[in-house]
Amino acid sequence: EPEVTQTPSHQVTQMGQEVILRCVPISNHLYFYWYRQILGQKVEFLVSFYNNEISEKSEIFDDQFSVERPDGSNFTLKIRSTKLEDSAMYFCASSSGGRNTEAFFGQGTRLTVV
Amino acid sequence: GESVGLHLPTLSVQEGDNSIINCAYSNSASDYFIWYKQESGKGPQFIIDIRSNMDKRQGQRVTVLLNKTVKHLSLQIAATQPGDSAVYFCAEKSYDKVIFGPGTSLSVIP
Repeated sequence: EPEVTQTPSHQVTQMGQEVILRCVPISNHLYFYWYRQILGQKVEFLVSFYNNEISEKSEIFDDQFSVERPDGSNFTLKIRSTKLEDSAMYFCASSSGGRNTEAFFGQGTRLTVV
Repeated sequence: GESVGLHLPTLSVQEGDNSIINCAYSNSASDYFIWYKQESGKGPQFIIDIRSNMDKRQGQRVTVLLNKTVKHLSLQIAATQPGDSAVYFCAEKSYDKVIFGPGTSLSVIP
């Protein structure tokens, strides 16, 4: 069964450092997403990406964040200068279509900023 | 703004009993809803979805009910098993994002 894969599963970084979280969405999907989940809290939307551009982003997704689809398979989230409060689980998701199609989530990357 | 929220943050049920998890949404224009299950340390896993032109949809041991009049969703799990222990999120899906509710933690007592 096709699945969304994310690497690494756990990333520890020092405050102020840049991190890149990687995702391989399901191959025929067209819509890509990043979400964040702080421990014990709900899953929060960060950004959606379609047709090689950001289609929507939340207030959380400020200038420190960027996304890229560098090739036909990877979808990355970059945090330029990490802060302690960036520590969270980051989930990538993809969807084959628009409105009424489900989004499939990866297993997440646990980011710990120290 | 739009939001999706839950009535009960925690639910404990005896193994074999039925579970009901409730959810309220505020955006009356919402027309597609999804229930996700999240086990500890894992990503949200799709359980079942429902479109606004339906009141009820059944899957294997799960049923989702939609009441558009009061903007309420519920997830019913029949014969709850220990493997059902997880956090359950209702969510609204639009073109550009999935909006999650705060989640209900379901604990199954053996």
